[in-house]
Amino acid sequence: DAGITQSPRYKITETGRQVTLMCHQTWSHSYMFWYRQDLGHGLRLIYYSAAADITDKGEVPDGYVVSRSKTENFPLTLESATRSQTSVYFCASSESWNSGTEAFFGQGTRLTVV
Amino acid sequence: AQSVSQHNHHVILSEAASLELGCNYSYGGTVNLFWYVQYPGQHLQLLLKYFSGDPLVKGIKGFEAEFIKSKFSFNLRKPSVQWSDTAEYFCAVKGGKLIFGQGTELSVKP
Repeated sequence: DAGITQSPRYKITETGRQVTLMCHQTWSHSYMFWYRQDLGHGLRLIYYSAAADITDKGEVPDGYVVSRSKTENFPLTLESATRSQTSVYFCASSESWNSGTEAFFGQGTRLTVV
Repeated sequence: AQSVSQHNHHVILSEAASLELGCNYSYGGTVNLFWYVQYPGQHLQLLLKYFSGDPLVKGIKGFEAEFIKSKFSFNLRKPSVQWSDTAEYFCAVKGGKLIFGQGTELSVKP
């Protein structure tokens, strides 16, 4: 089915390791987003991208790196994982910025850093 | 800076009770406003959205929301909740960025 998929769905990693979360969408949406969801904080924007090769920081970008070499992919890398990065990560995409177009979300990746 | 605030963190209602969840935002420019719902163990799904026109918008499953520009608010309402409405609800504002509120957990008792 077309849509937005995240992989892996679950990941356990050790402190200090590099880990990459993948996000792939089949709609050719221009905008893509990464959020983390934590109890009491809701969803917080990590990074977003308006198009291939265009990325920008969100509310909580420290410790994360993104790239967007192709429109359909938007990987999120934790360069040196810390326990505070244990969270559920959601990727989303949106066709455009205007006219009320909504974001569509992936199923999420539950990351545990031990 | 752009921000979104949801006033209620956890709301507990009995079936058939009316619901109103508060959402306020701050942003100096034009905004698009959204309410999303997240059922347990699932991803976020759109309930409704506002970007122009009638400030009272209707969404799926009997939900509606009213945009009051002067109050920077976009409150979610439902006249009669059902047990199946148990979920977490997120208000979101698209201004310079797409920012979400902290979420409101709704528990509906049968």
